[in-house]
Amino acid sequence: QLQLQESGPGLVKPSETLSLTCTVSGGSISSSSYYWGWIRQPPGKGLEWIGSIYYSGSTYYNPSLKSRVTISVDTSKNQFSLKLSSVTAADTAVYYCARLVGAVAHYWGQGTLVTVSS
Amino acid sequence: QSVLTQPPSASGTPGQRVTISCSGSSSNIGSNTVNWYQQLPGTAPKLLIYSNNQRPSGVPDRFSGSKSGTSASLAISGLQSEDEADYYCAAWDDSLNGHVVFGGGTKLTVL
Repeated sequence: QLQLQESGPGLVKPSETLSLTCTVSGGSISSSSYYWGWIRQPPGKGLEWIGSIYYSGSTYYNPSLKSRVTISVDTSKNQFSLKLSSVTAADTAVYYCARLVGAVAHYWGQGTLVTVSS
Repeated sequence: QSVLTQPPSASGTPGQRVTISCSGSSSNIGSNTVNWYQQLPGTAPKLLIYSNNQRPSGVPDRFSGSKSGTSASLAISGLQSEDEADYYCAAWDDSLNGHVVFGGGTKLTVL
């Protein structure tokens, strides 16, 4: 059974860079046909797709976040990562990692809350 | 403001059939398939319907999806109390090099 687990700091200061890692177990991140992505949900609000990456490094990003987002993959560790720069309070959210085919996310991590505050 | 438009709330009594709509445009729903997610309180979203009307293994056939033009619908028949959750539609959008778009979500209340 494929499992995804997010990890990273739960508190980030304004203007700094948010960094999260998703560790994939029960399957290879190098599997063809699948993208690996990040989706976030501000408290009490809806879902927002951040971006997705293929194991080869090909990426798609949310146009509204593209200037601040970098998603990378480490196939040797079966992990992929998110960096979001210049964060503000508006970036406070539960961040989920997921395995995607286009807009279809069959597998999700449990989510991790990241709060932006000084 | 979400690219896909959903009603913020819906409700029904046990046993009833309820539908949730999702409206988009030619660059997303009009040219790509629609997916639906169910999010129970305090949990990660779960894929409910993919490719307009396909159910992943384990999803009861009480849940069904449909698409017409630039709109889609999720129908839940034989409503149960455990169906009380937030529901989101999602689709691929071909504009701006391609990206995923979500609806704002619909909170379903079982009365």
